Amino acid sequence: GESVGLHLPTLSVQEGDNSIINCAYSNSASDYFIWYKQESGKGPQFIIDIRSNMDKRQGQRVTVLLNKTVKHLSLQIAATQPGDSAVYFCAESPVIQGAQKLVFGQGTRLTINP
Amino acid sequence: DTGVSQDPRHKITKRGQNVTFRCDPISEHNRLYWYRQTLGQGPEFLTYFQNEAQLEKSRLLSDRFSAERPKGSFSTLEIQRTEQGDSAMYLCASSLRDDSESSGANVLTFGAGSRLTVL
Repeated sequence: GESVGLHLPTLSVQEGDNSIINCAYSNSASDYFIWYKQESGKGPQFIIDIRSNMDKRQGQRVTVLLNKTVKHLSLQIAATQPGDSAVYFCAESPVIQGAQKLVFGQGTRLTINP
Repeated sequence: DTGVSQDPRHKITKRGQNVTFRCDPISEHNRLYWYRQTLGQGPEFLTYFQNEAQLEKSRLLSDRFSAERPKGSFSTLEIQRTEQGDSAMYLCASSLRDDSESSGANVLTFGAGSRLTVL
């Protein structure tokens, strides 16, 4: 069945260092992947997305890498800041243009240490 | 427009009572979604609307749950005869269907959620 999961439930990083959050997915039919950030008491906030016809996409301080061969997704955050502390979810969907029936992973809690 | 609004933010109720949550999406968004999130887990899809039509429902949505979007704007999610297992955060999201493939197209914008505690 469909499932999206994360390798590590928690991650601590020193402020200013780079962080990498990993995600494994099992649905080979997935066409679209997305990372959300969720701070305490708030809803998930969009970070970056990628389609299956790409293997890398960069945003501001963030990069998403997609390896379809091993069904692996990662989020790299450069020069981490205290405000990056949150729970990060990867999610996948079979299509980008249809309804976004996203399947979320469990999440990784990222803590930025001063 | 300040984003997706949900009300109430917190609801405590006794088992067996009915509860209703309201969601006001971003005004130009034609799609509206309900997700449920339990502690320590990612959100789970419940249902979605395109305009006023409810187009898909998850098997998680038992017959005690009903969602409406009568005028294609705000939506309500009602849970009848609540059970302790219904305790969760109920998240609403909206999006604008965009047939482009640019980054961020079709992205769901989530509200802050309505937290339900069933005693």
